[in-house]
Amino acid sequence: GQQVMQIPQYQHVQEGEDFTTYCNSSTTLSNIQWYKQRPGGHPVFLIQLVKSGEVKKQKRLTFQFGEAKKNSSLHITATQTTDVGTYFCAGPSGNEKLTFGTGTRLTIIP
Amino acid sequence: GAVVSQHPSRVICKSGTSVKIECRSLDFQATTMFWYRQFPKKSLMLMATSNEGSKATYEQGVEKDKFLINHASLTLSTLTVTSAHPEDSSFYICSARDWTGGDGELFFGEGSRLTVL
Repeated sequence: GQQVMQIPQYQHVQEGEDFTTYCNSSTTLSNIQWYKQRPGGHPVFLIQLVKSGEVKKQKRLTFQFGEAKKNSSLHITATQTTDVGTYFCAGPSGNEKLTFGTGTRLTIIP
Repeated sequence: GAVVSQHPSRVICKSGTSVKIECRSLDFQATTMFWYRQFPKKSLMLMATSNEGSKATYEQGVEKDKFLINHASLTLSTLTVTSAHPEDSSFYICSARDWTGGDGELFFGEGSRLTVL
């Protein structure tokens, strides 16, 4: 079945440093979504990418969809303590279902 | 954005008992809802797709007789963990899509943390 892997599994950064998580799917995706889950919370939708090579920005967050539509990345510039959480990518897997990536847990050192 | 409410947020039960978790879409109708399970520091694993007015579709390896799903209305789906055992302890989260605008993203309930003693 479809597998969606993310690296790294964990990332500890000093506040103000940049952060990147990479997402790789075993199959080509029609679109990819990104979610953030704060500690103790539930996942919250961040963005969806649809086009090959697409790049979208949300303030300090930059999302990219690979040319082959099998990989994606999320880059955060100048991290803040509010960025703490686990970031998941997710790809469609038929019948409206989503397969979530393994996630990257970000912790910030103040 | 759309709101999905889940209840209870935490439940502790004895081994062998059954627990029901409710998932409601508060401001939109959802013909389909999704139930996920999440172990500590792990990803979300889809358990089943709840379909309004028909049987749920379970993912491979998920016991349908143990995790009973009912989707009786366009705004309510329930998950019942029957004859719960300690290994069923987990974080259960429901979700649904609101297709009226937006990217068809999933809106998640707050989650239900089940502890089976």
